[in-house]
Amino acid sequence: QVQLQESGPGLVKPSETLSLTCSVLGGSVSSGSFYWSWIRQPPGKGLEWIGFIYSNGGTKYNPSLKSRLTISVDTSKNHFFLKLSSMTAADTAVYYCARGDLTVADDWGQGTLVTVSS
Amino acid sequence: DIQMTQSPSSVSASVGDRVTITCRASRDINTWVAWYQQKPGKAPKLLIYAASSLQSGVPSRFSGSGSGTDFTLTISSLQPEDFATYYCQEGNIFPYTFGQGTKVEVK
Repeated sequence: QVQLQESGPGLVKPSETLSLTCSVLGGSVSSGSFYWSWIRQPPGKGLEWIGFIYSNGGTKYNPSLKSRLTISVDTSKNHFFLKLSSMTAADTAVYYCARGDLTVADDWGQGTLVTVSS
Repeated sequence: DIQMTQSPSSVSASVGDRVTITCRASRDINTWVAWYQQKPGKAPKLLIYAASSLQSGVPSRFSGSGSGTDFTLTISSLQPEDFATYYCQEGNIFPYTFGQGTKVEVK
């Protein structure tokens, strides 16, 4: 059973870049036909799919975030990453990493709350 | 983006009740719909994929149906652990979008 764990700063200042890491245990980010996703949820609100990276390194980004977003992978550490620049209060959310096929997220991390505030 | 409209936004129910949640897509998405359950402070859990396929380990009281633009999640006999918020999600065109959620509350 794969386990995913998000890590990163809980507090980011406006205009700064958020960097999050998803550590993957019990599965390889470079094998199989899996898609490794980032999904976020503002406090008390619904879910937004940020983007994903495929096991071959290909990526797909939400157009609303594309200009600020980079998703990458480090196969040697079995991690994948999110970088989101020019953070504003609207980016305050619980950020989840997840694994799935092309269309769903089967396995999720516990989530990490990121607050944007000076 | 495809809009997913869920109804109702909340439902009050008792243990043993049959609960039905609907989701309407803004365009035809075939059967590319998933349903998730989320409890407070927890990550969503996949229940149903491809509109009607039950995810491994999910109790059979959960079922999904529909195709095209109209989809339904049914809980045949509500159990205490089923009080939660449920989301539909389209998987036809990225960015995949979620419904706004349906909270199943104790009556």
